Amino acid sequence: GAGVSQTPSNKVTEKGKYVELRCDPISGHTALYWYRQSLGQGPEFLIYFQGTGAADDSGLPNDRFFAVRPEGSVSTLKIQRTERGDSAVYLCASSLIADSSQYFGPGTRLLVL
Amino acid sequence: QKEVEQNSGPLSVPEGAIASLNCTYSDRGSQSFFWYRQYSGKSPELIMFIYSNGDKEDGRFTAQLNKASQYVSLLIRDSQPSDSATYLCAVKENAGGTSYGKLTFGQGTILTVHP
Repeated sequence: GAGVSQTPSNKVTEKGKYVELRCDPISGHTALYWYRQSLGQGPEFLIYFQGTGAADDSGLPNDRFFAVRPEGSVSTLKIQRTERGDSAVYLCASSLIADSSQYFGPGTRLLVL
Repeated sequence: QKEVEQNSGPLSVPEGAIASLNCTYSDRGSQSFFWYRQYSGKSPELIMFIYSNGDKEDGRFTAQLNKASQYVSLLIRDSQPSDSATYLCAVKENAGGTSYGKLTFGQGTILTVHP
């Protein structure tokens, strides 16, 4: 079956701009996660949804970052007033339930100039 | 702050040898442990998970867990050049007696298998 998909695969933007990153989880997976990975590091947790609600957003670095999952399927990570330090690969993962294994999408490579 | 530590490597082994990758974690209450493989420029791919003390085998891969020592390892038998990748150890937190969604990752160990 289809895995986790993410769009766009690459995004180049200018400092101060707004970006949206989209994640489409595996069909039937109720839990969805966003991580951020910088070069040479492991993924860093940002936020996790169980259904439509954010069960844990403790990893969001500041209030410029926001994520939604209005219908319990597709999720959008929104970054306002982007900064060069936001440049990273943004990974989305999903799992059947919160207690089960997480499967990652291909990621969105964000570059802020 | 809960931490997961891995030796960043690189770990270099000859083809056909056993590669041993190690990981320690700080949260004694952690219940679930995962190994992901990540090829350069790609996203993490789940290899194995382990919940109970002892060994768990899947093909050429064996995960080992020792909760008393807060240590988890991955052994790759008969290593192949195609195993060359970064191996990420991840730990799922435990909150209130139930496993919790968030994964905490180590920085990864770079493995190179040379012919």
